[in-house]
Amino acid sequence: QQQVKQSPQSLIVQKGGISIINCAYENTAFDYFPWYQQFPGKGPALLIAIRPDVSEKKEGRFTISFNKSAKQFSLHIMDSQPGDSATYFCAASIGGNNRKLIWGLGTSLAVNP
Amino acid sequence: NAGVTQTPKFRVLKTGQSMTLLCAQDMNHEYMYWYRQDPGMGLRLIHYSVGEGTTAKGEVPDGYNVSRLKKQNFLLGLESAAPSQTSVYFCASSYTDRFSYEQYFGPGTRLTVT
Repeated sequence: QQQVKQSPQSLIVQKGGISIINCAYENTAFDYFPWYQQFPGKGPALLIAIRPDVSEKKEGRFTISFNKSAKQFSLHIMDSQPGDSATYFCAASIGGNNRKLIWGLGTSLAVNP
Repeated sequence: NAGVTQTPKFRVLKTGQSMTLLCAQDMNHEYMYWYRQDPGMGLRLIHYSVGEGTTAKGEVPDGYNVSRLKKQNFLLGLESAAPSQTSVYFCASSYTDRFSYEQYFGPGTRLTVT
């Protein structure tokens, strides 16, 4: 059972456009929601993360929007660039001594020049 | 700092052979993880460790064993490789505190079992 559902599976955006990737979760005990970026042949790397006590977090062109009541969060990439072409994963985590990430299945983003 | 390193980078095994993948981190992280990544399946947790001498099963542990004898190293073993274990394997490490929980990933090991 997928506890974190990510959509779309793939996305094509024109340079300068806005890329939007969505995730939905089931478990209200999740307290940390990161997004990871993975380039081909590389390991994932943390892009941006949010905790449920805020509704939005922005870092440069990347913004997480968080809707606690709907149990959804999304990644917005403004002014998308060809260098943003990568696979993006959302994840969620519960605190405690056995903290681990529950991952979405990923979104392959292609930004056309 | 090298971060998280994985050895080897590529490996081809025949069915039934055994091998050990080595993960090393120099960030003094308590937590370490082994994942496998297959097309369309995302990242699936195999085993993890919350400290030296501890291990725990993840989502897909069957056919794998792990050991964490030293804090900086986390070994993943395949006792009798099967074609279904063809995958890219990633190791990650992390610290965790009240405000942050970031996993740092290695470059991956591409394993093919024929």
